Amino acid sequence: GAGVSQSPRYKVAKRGQDVALRCDPISGHVSLFWYQQALGQGPEFLTYFQNEAQLDKSGLPSDRFFAERPEGSVSTLKIQRTQQEDSAVYLCASSATGTRVERGLRREQFFGPGTRLTVL
Amino acid sequence: AQSVSQHNHHVILSEAASLELGCNYSYGGTVNLFWYVQYPGQHLQLLLKYFSGDPLVKGIKGFEAEFIKSKFSFNLRKPSVQWSDTAEYFCAAVRHNTDKLIFGTGTRLQVFP
Repeated sequence: GAGVSQSPRYKVAKRGQDVALRCDPISGHVSLFWYQQALGQGPEFLTYFQNEAQLDKSGLPSDRFFAERPEGSVSTLKIQRTQQEDSAVYLCASSATGTRVERGLRREQFFGPGTRLTVL
Repeated sequence: AQSVSQHNHHVILSEAASLELGCNYSYGGTVNLFWYVQYPGQHLQLLLKYFSGDPLVKGIKGFEAEFIKSKFSFNLRKPSVQWSDTAEYFCAAVRHNTDKLIFGTGTRLQVFP
């Protein structure tokens, strides 16, 4: 596709509900990233995939957060039993890099519009 | 801890004024540096990036940034701002052997005609 797309753009959940956020990366992009952006803050890293492999999930704030990318393209970020502190914009980004050789040359991450999650 | 600091949280300028937004990072090794911009209602877009070579980097829309290794800085500059530059600006860094971006808290720029 022309860019990274995310759905839904807005999600309102009651505390305790499960939510699933979808990311469609740029076609052919190997790497996919999830970030969380709280109000008034910069994005914070959550997790990273290279193809279908989740290589880094050090930023996931709790075991209620789970991400997958089963076929190496579309990714889903799932949040179980949502809490008010989960309210934020969830950003997805993709990049063409996938190997150490390529990293220095093409490391730009392209961001989607984000999903604004509000937990009541 | 690895971090990126942006000192200016909110900057207000008149059109044609010069702009400089500060950015400092805390890594000691090789680092790649970026400035992203988020216009109202739009997604994050890359303004410019530094990987290696010439420390003065030119980006889109007349922006530039200078990497000063001794000061751990990567300040963003524009000689003459326009109303359309009103946006939030984020500095970010990636360590050479990782892939995750570490962002600063952002600077909100308002330009008045």
